[in-house]
Formats: sequence, C-alpha cells, structure tokens
Amino acid sequence: DQQVKQNSPSLSVQEGRISILNCDYTNSMFDYFLWYKKYPAEGPTFLISISSIKDKNEDGRFTVFLNKSAKHLSLHIVPSQPGDSAVYFCAASARGSNFGNEKLTFGTGTRLTIIP
Amino acid sequence: NAGVTQTPKFQVLKTGQSMTLQCAQDMNHEYMSWYRQDPGMGLRLIHYSVGAGITDQGEVPNGYNVSRSTTEDFPLRLLSAAPSQTSVYFCASSYRRPDYGYTFGSGTRLTVV
Repeated sequence: DQQVKQNSPSLSVQEGRISILNCDYTNSMFDYFLWYKKYPAEGPTFLISISSIKDKNEDGRFTVFLNKSAKHLSLHIVPSQPGDSAVYFCAASARGSNFGNEKLTFGTGTRLTIIP
Repeated sequence: NAGVTQTPKFQVLKTGQSMTLQCAQDMNHEYMSWYRQDPGMGLRLIHYSVGAGITDQGEVPNGYNVSRSTTEDFPLRLLSAAPSQTSVYFCASSYRRPDYGYTFGSGTRLTVV
C-alpha cells in the first residue's frame, strides 16, 4: 500500500521555466512533508519541508504547496536551472505513539530533466 | 567533513553469506535509520533508532538486524544474504525534529549472487 505517491516518473522542463513536481498521499495522520533531491551515485539531500498547519513554504527558488483537503503537495522550482536535473522524492511523517514523527515514508521519485 | 559515512561503497555477496554495513555520523544526531532503494519502489525503511540502545523495525525488516551501542554508529547486519536483498542501502541521521531533514550517506550498492 503506497501511502505516498508520485505518479509522474519523469518530467522535462526548459531552462528558466517553472518546474512543478507533484505528490499525493493517503494517510490523513501525516503532519510533516519533505522534499529531497538525489543525484546519481549520491545519497538524497534535503530541500524543503512543510508542516500540515501551513499551506506554503518558500526557500529561495523552491516553494512547496500543501492542499490538505486534496491530500496533495507540490514543489515549484523557479527558475529551473541545469543543476536541478535530478530525481526528486517527496516524503511524509506521522506523529507516532512512541518515538515521535521522525520516520519518513517516501514516494517513488520523479526524474526531472532541465533542457538547456 | 561532518556527515554520514557508509562503508563499503560496493559489495558482492554469495547467497547465504553474512555481512555488516557500517554507518557512522559525527553530528550528534539522536535519530538514525537504514533505507533501501529499489527501482520503482522509492526508499523503504528497514530499521531505525532514536538513541543508543533503542531500535525498532521499519517497513521491510526481515533478514536484517541492527544495534546501536553508541550515538555515532548504527551498523546493519545481513544475517544470510538472499538475491532479494540486492539493492542500494542508505543510512541517514537527524535531530529529533520533524521539520529537520535527514542527512544521508552516499550509499552501499550490494549485489547478492
């Protein structure tokens, strides 16, 4: 049962334009959402997070939007740059009864290619 | 350099062999975890720890064992390797804050033949 879904395996965007990566979730107990970026042969790196009490969080070129009623979040990258070409994972955590909400459930990833 | 160090980077095992994947962090993070990445499956949690002496199972724990005797180290043991354990393994650490992203190691690519 995939609780975090990234339905687009790949996305190509022209350099300088906006990249929009989407993520859907099914578990209504998720209360934090994060985006990670991964280059080949490297570990994922953290990009940005958002709490379920917010609907938007911005960090430089990266903005994450959360629509709780639709159980949907998206990552916007503006403007897109060649170095943004990578696999992007969304992840979510739910407050657990014992250990808090550090455990992350990841989506399957979207490969973003920026076309020069 | 501060971060998460994983060794080895590559390993080939024969079915039935055992081995330990090493993970060490120098950021004094309380939380450490092991994930495996398989094509089309994303990252799946194997085991995690919220501090020395405290571990728990994740989504796919079968065939793996962990212990955490110090804050810095969190080794993952494969008890009897199977071809289904062929994967890329990532260790991650974090402070115990939900908005604080994990720091991942660079991964161990394991092939079981």
